Parts: sequence; structure tokens; C-alpha cells
Amino acid sequence: GAVVSQHPSRVICKSGTSVKIECRSLDFQATTMFWYRQFPKKSLMLMATSNEGSKATYEQGVEKDKFLINHASLTLSTLTVTSAHPEDSSFYICSARDSGRFNEQFFGPGTRLTVL
Amino acid sequence: AQKITQTQPGMFVQEKEAVTLDCTYDTSDQSYGLFWYKQPSSGEMIFLIYQGSYDEQNATEGRYSLNFQKARKSANLVISASQLGDSAMYFCAMRYTGTASKLTFGTGTRLQVTL
Repeated sequence: GAVVSQHPSRVICKSGTSVKIECRSLDFQATTMFWYRQFPKKSLMLMATSNEGSKATYEQGVEKDKFLINHASLTLSTLTVTSAHPEDSSFYICSARDSGRFNEQFFGPGTRLTVL
Repeated sequence: AQKITQTQPGMFVQEKEAVTLDCTYDTSDQSYGLFWYKQPSSGEMIFLIYQGSYDEQNATEGRYSLNFQKARKSANLVISASQLGDSAMYFCAMRYTGTASKLTFGTGTRLQVTL
């Protein structure tokens, strides 16, 4: 199946710093990628839709200036959590859309962010 | 608004038995897709099975089958011959047309397979 990677898998940072998370589709091109956030024992909540070469579309309630998304190529999208605070601690998961397979989404392994 | 409901927060099943995980959805769209994903403790989301709203036959993938009842708006996942490795969180999700493949997820069901 299609492979999506995320880096880093875990990150611990101090409050006030910025953290960048990368999402890569390894064996297919993804014009669209999605960023989700998951709190412990909760469901996935879509944060934003990342489109290659254009601005991301954010879900209601998600701060654009807080969660910067860049989709510079067909295989890479990045999420930057700016000036992170403890309440930003969460599990962040990306997915990439493979238009050749029922518009299927393939998920990355996730990044666990802990802000001290 | 579209909504996915999973009413079973937790389920237990004995090894080698079959188990059904419930999922109901609410949409006014005629064209949509239904997905089931498995999330083990490692956190990755593993695609299990897909059912399109116009598919006449229930989807099957190995030990997984989807009991699709369109009139009742339900898309239950059936796992046959449960294995210990099936213990995980299971999420039902829906994709509806015109939303660039955005998925809406249910709250999940934690399945525990016992000896």
C-alpha cells in the first residue's frame, strides 16, 4: 500500500518555541494532504487541508497563525506549531490523498508533541 | 451536518470469535464513502475497508466485512475469527462529495480480544 511518513515521531519542546512536523508521501504524489489532531482517547479532528502550491484551508476554530502549513511539493507538507504552549501538546497525524485509489487517504504514523 | 456515531466505547471478544462494531451516520448527501480504520497503541491509522454509497454489494477484505444498510444509515464492521493482534481502537469515518476528500471520524470503539 501507499506509504506516508512523518518526522519527527516524538518531540519535546519548551513553551514558546516553534516546532515543525514533516509529512511525506513516499511512493505517490499527493496534491492534497490533511492534518489532524488527536487528544488522548479521543477521535481525530481535522485541522486543515493542505493543497500543493496554494494556501491551506483551515477548519473552523483552528488558528491559522498558530498552525502554519506549507505544501511546497507533491510529496511534502509541513505543519509548524508556532510559539507552542502546553495546551498544544497532542498527537498530530497527517494523511495524503491518493487520487488513484477511491480518493483514499493514507495516514502517517503520527507525531507526539509534548510542550513543557 | 454530517455526523458519524459509534455507540460502543469498548468491546470484548474471545479469540477466534466474530465481533461486530457499530457505526451509524447522518447525511443528506446521496454520494458518500464510508471507511473503517484501525489504530493500534502505536498510533498509526491503518485502513481496513471502504464502502461507497452506490455500491450494491457489501465490501469485504479478508477477515473484515462491512454490513452496509443504506436505509438505516449504518455501516457496521464485522471482524471474523478474531486474533489477539486485532486489539486496538477502531474508527468509522465518512467522506462526502464536494469536500476534497475530507473525512469525518466517529469517536471510536476500543476492541479487546481475549484468550
